[in-house]
Amino acid sequence: EADIYQTPRYLVIGTGKKITLECSQTMGHDKMYWYQQDPGMELHLIHYSYGVNSTEKGDLSSESTVSRIRTEHFPLTLESARPSHTSQYLCASSISGHPSSYEQYFGPGTRLTVT
Amino acid sequence: AQSVTQPDIHITVSEGASLELRCNYSYGATPYLFWYVQSPGQGLQLLLKYFSGDTLVQGIKGFEAEFKRSQSSFNLRKPSVHWSDAAEYFCAVGARENYKLSFGAGTTVTVRA
Repeated sequence: EADIYQTPRYLVIGTGKKITLECSQTMGHDKMYWYQQDPGMELHLIHYSYGVNSTEKGDLSSESTVSRIRTEHFPLTLESARPSHTSQYLCASSISGHPSSYEQYFGPGTRLTVT
Repeated sequence: AQSVTQPDIHITVSEGASLELRCNYSYGATPYLFWYVQSPGQGLQLLLKYFSGDTLVQGIKGFEAEFKRSQSSFNLRKPSVHWSDAAEYFCAVGARENYKLSFGAGTTVTVRA
């Protein structure tokens, strides 16, 4: 079944650790996105990619980095986690084409807590 | 840049009653509009979308939304809510010049028996 997956679902980690949040999709979508979501707030786009070897920073500044070496895989890395990184991170993807590209499909999210 | 306002942070509705969630957008041209639903601990699921054409849009789970250009609104409605509709609902707008979506802060819906 075509879907979008995120691992881990929950992560509690100490300050200063390096972490990678995984996102994979089996839908063959070209475009992928990372959002940060805090309670009671809108989703903020932090990274996006329109294809392999293409990554851009989103509207919200983030200390995280991303890579897109394979179409289906879009991992997010924090080199040194801090308590301010505590949040929910949502990955999404969309197909090419207009206006289909605006229709984003979301993974279940990773809830990150940095202690 | 586009933006979305969801005026209601929290709505409580009785099971079987009707539901209307408000969404106002800011964008210079005709936008692409979306409603998503998020259950606790889950990602966002697309309920419905508006690209063009008929301003009354039908979605999944019995939801519908109406695009009103004069009011810059895209309100979500359901005639009779079920307990399983308790969730957080997000309105989003996409600008035609890029592929990004801007989301509102969400409305939490509580359904009482």
